[in-house]
Amino acid sequence: QSALTQPASVSGSPGQSITISCTGTSSDVGRYNLVSWYQQYPGKAPKIIIYGVTNRPSGVSNRFSGSKSGITASLTISGLQGEDEADYYCSTYTTSMSVVVFGGGTKLTVL
Amino acid sequence: QVQLVQSGAEVKKPGASVKVSCEASGYSFTNNYIHWVRQAPGQGLEWMGWINPNNGFTNYEQKFQGRLTLTRDTSTSTAYMDLSSLRSDDTAVYYCARSHSADYWGQGTLVTVSS
Repeated sequence: QSALTQPASVSGSPGQSITISCTGTSSDVGRYNLVSWYQQYPGKAPKIIIYGVTNRPSGVSNRFSGSKSGITASLTISGLQGEDEADYYCSTYTTSMSVVVFGGGTKLTVL
Repeated sequence: QVQLVQSGAEVKKPGASVKVSCEASGYSFTNNYIHWVRQAPGQGLEWMGWINPNNGFTNYEQKFQGRLTLTRDTSTSTAYMDLSSLRSDDTAVYYCARSHSADYWGQGTLVTVSS
């Protein structure tokens, strides 16, 4: 199972919006609504911020939103803040193979 | 509240095995799969496999077949990850996570493989 494709880095200024893409195939991202997104600070465990493509866990800021079109899922962060500077990973669970696939991760820099 | 608490850091020699534990609390242990994910220094997340605590069924990423064993003890709500024939490139932080969406994560266990 190949990894999902994410840009290595994105950047934005405080207050702006940015979008991180996560491209898979018709067998994973395109087939299931099971994409999750995680935020990870250096030296810390990942934290889920989106599950089921669009759902935000309780306590996660509504500045984070998820979507999907075809084989590409996206994470949008609006009203960028300095605290958003972190690594972001997407993943999906494929029920056909019963495996999880992660993206390579995207480093977000807030300018 | 849901918590996954992992065992402490390990240093192992090449060829040895390591066993990392993940104690769950705050929810029904048998109702959620436990996944194991690792992260090599400076690298991304790598999925290793899952165990269904209800029946012990497992599924492993192909690259770990034959070296990885996931088990659980329902009496203590603890999941275990056993990785054998360790190599230097197995040096990583190993995480357990709950459910297919990995909604809760352990704090991570650093495993260092060095001669």
